[in-house]
Amino acid sequence: AQSVSQHNHHVILSEAASLELGCNYSYGGTVNLFWYVQYPGQHLQLLLKYFSGDPLVKGIKGFEAEFIKSKFSFNLRKPSVQWSDTAEYFCAVNVKAAGNKLTFGGGTRVLVKP
Amino acid sequence: DGGITQSPKYLFRKEGQNVTLSCEQNLNHDAMYWYRQDPGQGLRLIYYSQIVNDFQKGDIAEGYSVSREKKESFPLTVTSAQKNPTAFYLCASSITQNSNQPQHFGDGTRLSIL
Repeated sequence: AQSVSQHNHHVILSEAASLELGCNYSYGGTVNLFWYVQYPGQHLQLLLKYFSGDPLVKGIKGFEAEFIKSKFSFNLRKPSVQWSDTAEYFCAVNVKAAGNKLTFGGGTRVLVKP
Repeated sequence: DGGITQSPKYLFRKEGQNVTLSCEQNLNHDAMYWYRQDPGQGLRLIYYSQIVNDFQKGDIAEGYSVSREKKESFPLTVTSAQKNPTAFYLCASSITQNSNQPQHFGDGTRLSIL
């Protein structure tokens, strides 16, 4: 079975700082990768996804993520955060051949101080 | 507006009681899912359904049951056999069960034991 680990449980940073959230998965086969975000009081929503092709994917709100197959990683980045990026971020993986059963990481709570 | 509606938002249960969480979607999606969210553990898959009248166990199905009699509805029953039911429950759906279909989430139901 696959597993997903997110390195940081909590991140606190100031506006305009750069953000990078780590995500590693364990599975030797072909996977799809996702980042979801949960803003305070809102439902979980898709930030970006990787299925194939260019390993650098761009999502909404200026976020991007890079898939590094050799490192089993899919780290999320944003060059300059805003207060409105305060949220909990989840990395998720599914196995291409096994349907749409997502395995989530434990989440990272990000607090951006104004 | 199309979306996923979960009700109620908050639910309290006495020990030994079964309780049913509602999930309705008007997105015309074939596949639906139930997750449990605990702090620091991300989301874990309880049950999923690829199509009407079909459902499969996820990673933590013990103590839960589901039904899928209608395409738009996927209720989850938390039975008295579930030893630690206090959690945040999220329902999701996707167009199909194909692994490249992003999942759309409801606002969740928070279940607490009295």
